[in-house]
Amino acid sequence: AQSVSQHNHHVILSEAASLELGCNYSYGGTVNLFWYVQYPGQHLQLLLKYFSGDPLVKGIKGFEAEFIKSKFSFNLRKPSVQWSDTAEYFCAVNWRGRDDKIIFGKGTRLHILP
Amino acid sequence: DGGITQSPKYLFRKEGQNVTLSCEQNLNHDAMYWYRQDPGQGLRLIYYSQIVNDFQKGDIAEGYSVSREKKESFPLTVTSAQKNPTAFYLCASSMQGVTEAFFGQGTRLTVV
Repeated sequence: AQSVSQHNHHVILSEAASLELGCNYSYGGTVNLFWYVQYPGQHLQLLLKYFSGDPLVKGIKGFEAEFIKSKFSFNLRKPSVQWSDTAEYFCAVNWRGRDDKIIFGKGTRLHILP
Repeated sequence: DGGITQSPKYLFRKEGQNVTLSCEQNLNHDAMYWYRQDPGQGLRLIYYSQIVNDFQKGDIAEGYSVSREKKESFPLTVTSAQKNPTAFYLCASSMQGVTEAFFGQGTRLTVV
């Protein structure tokens, strides 16, 4: 069955620290990859996405992610976090050509200390 | 403004009653989705629809039903058979081929 794993359930960092959140998906062919963010009290919004091409993609608010096909991974990174990055982050995958189903990971709750 | 509208924002029901959550989109998207969000569980797919008059079960469809009579509407019914219905429900839509999913504001359902 298709699945998405996020390894870090709760991360606490100080401002200016670097961030890396892990995401792995089950094997199943060609994929579309997404990272979403949910700020407290707000709806889910897209941070970045990967369909093809350069495996290093840049998103909003200084976030980037790297697709490593051999590891079935799509890790999210930010060189220097801010207090305003406190939120929950979700990795999501669509297995292209199979159907339009989008599977989400369980999320990582990020807390930035001021 | 284009977007996805879920109503109501908060919903209370007595145990044993069916309840229908509304989801409307004016983005002209073909695919629509219902997810359930619980703390520590992420978003779990309940049902999705790729085209009008067709829909597929997701990972946790038991106790739920949907219809897709119009492209812009994808209502979700939480039936009395759903053992733990209290949750936050999110509706989303995307273009065919899944370029990106757009989400509504969600409906928080409390069953007492």
